[in-house]
Amino acid sequence: KQEVTQIPAALSVPEGENLVLNCSFTDSAIYNLQWFRQDPGKGLTSLLLIQSSQREQTSGRLNASLDKSSGRSTLYIAASQPGDSATYLCAVIFRASGGSYIPTFGRGTSLIVHP
Amino acid sequence: NAGVTQTPKFQVLKTGQSMTLQCAQDMNHNSMYWYRQDPGMGLRLIYYSASEGTTDKGEVPNGYNVSRLNKREFSLRLESAAPSQTSVYFCASSESLGAGGYTFGSGTRLTVV
Repeated sequence: KQEVTQIPAALSVPEGENLVLNCSFTDSAIYNLQWFRQDPGKGLTSLLLIQSSQREQTSGRLNASLDKSSGRSTLYIAASQPGDSATYLCAVIFRASGGSYIPTFGRGTSLIVHP
Repeated sequence: NAGVTQTPKFQVLKTGQSMTLQCAQDMNHNSMYWYRQDPGMGLRLIYYSASEGTTDKGEVPNGYNVSRLNKREFSLRLESAAPSQTSVYFCASSESLGAGGYTFGSGTRLTVV
């Protein structure tokens, strides 16, 4: 069974720090990987999508990298702000048997940025 | 606003009752999904529809049925609700299966007593 693991499960940091959130997966045969943010009681908001042929994607203070050979993706958040407080989820699209591409989610990293 | 709309937002059912969760997207996406989210378990795929007219089981399909009514709408039905189905349910869509770029609805919080 393909699995997606996110470490750490929770993180509390002071405002201004640069952060690295990790996502690891058990099967290197991935199609793409997507990072999401979820605020309490809300749905998921897409942050970055990395295709399997790409090494990284950037959006503002966010940078996501992908290393298929080691089964890892990292989400880098520069100069963290209290508004970044949320749960960050990683979703990996594996190529399942029969050619179906099924998204598998990690359990997320709960981030608190305090002033 | 373009996106995925889920109804209802909250629901309380008694054990054994049935209900249908509705989902509609207006982005002309081909693929749609139903997930449940439970504390400590993360998001788990219940059913998905790669395109209009097709549906497939995900990781946790037992106790649920789905209907892809048309390209826009994908409903989830609980025929006989059980307390174990207490959860937050999310509908999502994407341009095609595996394309990524998922858009999620705001969720339905379901409690079965």
